[in-house]
Amino acid sequence: AQSVTQLGSHVSVSEGALVLLRCNYSSSVPPYLFWYVQYPNQGLQLLLKYTTGATLVKGINGFEAEFKKSETSFHLTKPSAHMSDAAEYFCAVSGDMDSNYQLIWGAGTKLIIKP
Amino acid sequence: DGGITQSPKYLFRKEGQNVTLSCEQNLNHDAMYWYRQDPGQGLRLIYYSQIVNDFQKGDIAEGYSVSREKKESFPLTVTSAQKNPTAFYLCASSILGVGGNQPQHFGDGTRLSIL
Repeated sequence: AQSVTQLGSHVSVSEGALVLLRCNYSSSVPPYLFWYVQYPNQGLQLLLKYTTGATLVKGINGFEAEFKKSETSFHLTKPSAHMSDAAEYFCAVSGDMDSNYQLIWGAGTKLIIKP
Repeated sequence: DGGITQSPKYLFRKEGQNVTLSCEQNLNHDAMYWYRQDPGQGLRLIYYSQIVNDFQKGDIAEGYSVSREKKESFPLTVTSAQKNPTAFYLCASSILGVGGNQPQHFGDGTRLSIL
C-alpha cells in the first residue's frame, strides 16, 4: 500500500536560512507527487507537483523539490526562508488503482521561521 | 474568479443533530472530495465523487453522507451517528486525470464544533 512519511512534525529555521522539508513515499506504481501549503484556518494551496519529465520541479514562492526515485524521496527546499513562509506543509502521493488513485497524505510539517 | 466556496466558515452542532456543510465550485471540475483534518494528522478522505449522481466512500465515511445532484455542488452531512465530529472539514475539486496526476484545489474549510 502507498504511504507518505514527512520527517519532523515541526521544523524551525532562521529567516534567510535554507528550508528543507523531507518527504519519503512508498508506491507500487510510478508516483505523482505533490506539495501543498496551508496557512492557519485556510485551505491547502498547491506549491508544486511532479507528474512526468524533469525531476527538479519549481513551484510558487521560490520553492522547489526534486524527485529521487532511488531514494523514494521528494524533499521540498527553498534557499532563503522568509517570515511569510511560516505555515504547514503537506506532501501527497497518488494512490494505486485499488484506491482509485486517491491521494495519500503525509501528516504535515509545521515550518517555524525565527527572526 | 474561479474557485471553491465552503460555507459556513464556523458551525456548531448540538447533541443528536445533523448538520450540512456546503461546497460549491465554479471551476467546471468533474471530481469533488471531502476531507477531515484533525491536529497533527494529515487529511483523511471522507467521500469523493467523479461524476454527477455517483460517489464513493473514502477511508472514514461512517457517520457522514453526501449527495452530488449538480456538478457544481457536493454537500456533506455530518449525522448524529458521527460521535466525534469536531474537526476542520475541507472540500476540494479536480480535473479527472490519468492515474491521479491532477492536483486538487481546495476551499477555505469549515470548522465544526460540538456545543
